[in-house]
Amino acid sequence: EVQLVESGGGLVQPGGSLRLSCAASGFTFSTYTMNWVRQAPGKGLEWVSYISSSSSPIYYADSVKGRFTISRDNAKNSLYLQMNSLRAEDTAVYYCARDFSLAAFDIWGQGTMVTVSS
Amino acid sequence: QSALTQPASVSGSPGQSITISCTGTSSDVGGYNFVSWYQQHPGKAPKLMIYDVSNRPSGVSNRFSGSKSGNTASLTISGLQAEDEADYYCSSYTSSSTHVVFGGGTKLTVL
Repeated sequence: EVQLVESGGGLVQPGGSLRLSCAASGFTFSTYTMNWVRQAPGKGLEWVSYISSSSSPIYYADSVKGRFTISRDNAKNSLYLQMNSLRAEDTAVYYCARDFSLAAFDIWGQGTMVTVSS
Repeated sequence: QSALTQPASVSGSPGQSITISCTGTSSDVGGYNFVSWYQQHPGKAPKLMIYDVSNRPSGVSNRFSGSKSGNTASLTISGLQAEDEADYYCSSYTSSSTHVVFGGGTKLTVL
């Protein structure tokens, strides 16, 4: 079964850091570009970051540029999102998503909740 | 403020057809045929319904169709069913540094 499973979410204080992971299974992870998409409580979807199959190029939303770092380990079939200098407005469910076509995400994880609060 | 503009809500009766619009600019919707549509039920992950403006992934009902004219893309759902009640989001590739933009979402109510 093709599957993405996120982990690493939780409660963190403003200014803190968190590392999200996304474990892929059921497909050849190394051949797909991947993304992180988030959704604040009661709000819409917001694209966060993109990484190519070879880890270059990489893109970020303006709202997280300079604070978040996307990476992948094709040997471990895993995608990561290192989040630093977290703000209250980063509170959201974070999804990892596989690219099916350019900017079309066909496989999504179940999401992991990140709450930034003191 | 989302990069792509969608109506906040639409509604229709079972059996009817509805259309959801998604308006962008020549840097995204109007400039490329990389518009996608997603369906999201409460508490669930989004599901890809349309990609590349008008293509349906395997397993998606042919009641869902997509189109584009200028800077506006549209999702049409025909033969509305109760299970279609959900939030719908459009997205597009963009030539700006942000790479991908989403619409603000449209809540579909089946009356």
